[in-house]
Amino acid sequence: EPEVTQTPSHQVTQMGQEVILRCVPISNHLYFYWYRQILGQKVEFLVSFYNNEISEKSEIFDDQFSVERPDGSNFTLKIRSTKLEDSAMYFCASSDRLLGEKLFFGSGTQLSVL
Amino acid sequence: AQKVTQAQTEISVVEKEDVTLDCVYETRDTTYYLFWYKQPPSGELVFLIRRNSFDEQNEISGRYSWNFQKSTSSFNFTITASQVVDSAVYFCALSDTAAGNKLTFGGGTRVLVKP
Repeated sequence: EPEVTQTPSHQVTQMGQEVILRCVPISNHLYFYWYRQILGQKVEFLVSFYNNEISEKSEIFDDQFSVERPDGSNFTLKIRSTKLEDSAMYFCASSDRLLGEKLFFGSGTQLSVL
Repeated sequence: AQKVTQAQTEISVVEKEDVTLDCVYETRDTTYYLFWYKQPPSGELVFLIRRNSFDEQNEISGRYSWNFQKSTSSFNFTITASQVVDSAVYFCALSDTAAGNKLTFGGGTRVLVKP
């Protein structure tokens, strides 16, 4: 089965630093997402992306966050100035249809902000 | 707004016992989709099943079965004859037409299967 690939699997950074989390969605998918999961908590929606623009974003996705699809294959999440509370597992997901289609999730990037 | 509630935070069973995970959802939409995902200790999210709101047939897939009841807004998941490899966190999730494919997850139920 095709896979969503995320790199790196673990990222450690200092508070205030910028991080970029990378994802390669499934090649024929059109809809892309970032979710995050703080340790021991539920998985939360951050942002959805379609046709090179953000479709929807949650309250968590403030001005410190941005997403980009720079080259037609990668999908990135940037956090400009990390805070301690940004420490979480970040999941990328993709799907080929908008409504009701299952999301294929990557294995996640564990971000630790020190 | 959508909401998914998984009242059981953790369930511990002995291998070969059956275990049922409860999921109750809220949505104002008449068209919606329900999902179960498994998160093993390795951390990835593994898709298990999708159900749309117009299909109330229960489903069985091997040792897994799902009971969808619109009347009680529930989508429960049963693992029959549990195995140690079933140990994981299981998430129920919902999307509806208002949300597109945005999934609202429940809090998850941790299942521990002891040998």
